[in-house]
Amino acid sequence: AQTVTQSQPEMSVQEAETVTLSCTYDTSESDYYLFWYKQPPSRQMILVIRQEAYKQQNATENRFSVNFQKAAKSFSLKISDSQLGDAAMYFCAYIYNQGGKLIFGQGTELSVKP
Amino acid sequence: DAGVTQSPTHLIKTRGQQVTLRCSPKSGHDTVSWYQQALGQGPQFIFQYYEEEERQRGNFPDRFSGHQFPNYSSELNVNALLLGDSALYLCASSSEGWRNTGELFFGEGSRLTVL
Repeated sequence: AQTVTQSQPEMSVQEAETVTLSCTYDTSESDYYLFWYKQPPSRQMILVIRQEAYKQQNATENRFSVNFQKAAKSFSLKISDSQLGDAAMYFCAYIYNQGGKLIFGQGTELSVKP
Repeated sequence: DAGVTQSPTHLIKTRGQQVTLRCSPKSGHDTVSWYQQALGQGPQFIFQYYEEEERQRGNFPDRFSGHQFPNYSSELNVNALLLGDSALYLCASSSEGWRNTGELFFGEGSRLTVL
């Protein structure tokens, strides 16, 4: 069974500092995608970053980057120069090609201190 | 360009009642998925609709049913409500090519409270 685990229920970071959110997953598939979604208090889930498993290069999107370790089944999110607007729940998610459904982790609540 | 819209945003029901939630997908999208998000948890996949048919289903009882209309909008119906059905129900849309991009676009959800 495919599972996604986020072991950090809560994280805190000082504004302008860097924070890393952890995620591990379990799958027997070789072709899949991994995501980080952000859910602010407005509740709308917003895609932060996406990684294709067949790509060795780590994905980056402005201040957001990932450390994808396929053999270790690890997928962490690094947020650089943290801003107050980054405060939200962050969910790691997985889907295998042709799978049709996202499997989410339990989430990490990130707070940003001014 | 309107994104994914859901209605109602909040509703309160009592045990045993039935509820219908509605979703309009993002323009150009033809696939709709529904997720249940209990408080403090990650979303759980309920089912997915494409071409007006249920394509995949998660581990939810038959009390949860859905429908997709020719204009790609969708409804989620829950019968015989239980207290445990209280949750945020998220609708997500995508195009058929989503298996290549993997990106879903989510609505803001419908918060259901069962008393």
